[in-house]
Amino acid sequence: AQSVAQPEDQVNVAEGNPLTVKCTYSVSGNPYLFWYVQYPNRGLQFLLKYITGDNLVKGSYGFEAEFNKSQTSFHLKKPSALVSDSALYFCAVSPIGYQKVTFGTGTKLQVIP
Amino acid sequence: EAQVTQNPRYLITVTGKKLTVTCSQNMNHEYMSWYRQDPGLGLRQIYYSMNVEVTDKGDVPEGYKVSRKEKRNFPLILESPSPNQTSLYFCASSAASSGRTEAFFGQGTRLTVV
Repeated sequence: AQSVAQPEDQVNVAEGNPLTVKCTYSVSGNPYLFWYVQYPNRGLQFLLKYITGDNLVKGSYGFEAEFNKSQTSFHLKKPSALVSDSALYFCAVSPIGYQKVTFGTGTKLQVIP
Repeated sequence: EAQVTQNPRYLITVTGKKLTVTCSQNMNHEYMSWYRQDPGLGLRQIYYSMNVEVTDKGDVPEGYKVSRKEKRNFPLILESPSPNQTSLYFCASSAASSGRTEAFFGQGTRLTVV
């Protein structure tokens, strides 16, 4: 069975500092990996994905994520946090070949002015 | 504008009264799914559909039904709602069934069963 772990319920970071939101996964075979963001009272919005190729993936709003196969991780990063980045972030995994997406429990990011 | 539309956005109902939450997408996507979001549990998949007339159970299908008679629509039916189905529900669609394409989500339906 596949699974996703987001070990931190909440991450606090000062505006302008770099941020990291952690994600580790377990899946049979090679994965597709995704990050989504959810703002209050809104649906989830796609940020970025890893399919194949370069381990460093760049996405929307200046976010990036690094795929690390040996550590089965896909941490979300941004060099300089903005207050507007405050939201709930979800990591998701899908095994290559078929559509069975599993989401993590979410990490609330709070950027402090 | 490409979008997934759910209705209603908010719903309060009583135990046992059948209800339907509608979902429609205008992107000609093959794959559609329903999730429920609960605090501390993240998103859990209820049902999904690979194409018209093709549906299958997700991780938490008990108490729910779906149908996919048209490509654009994927309604979620609660035939006899119970309080443990109080949750935030999301419909999502994606272009392919291979898992490599990102999902587009609706705005959510907050359901309260009393």
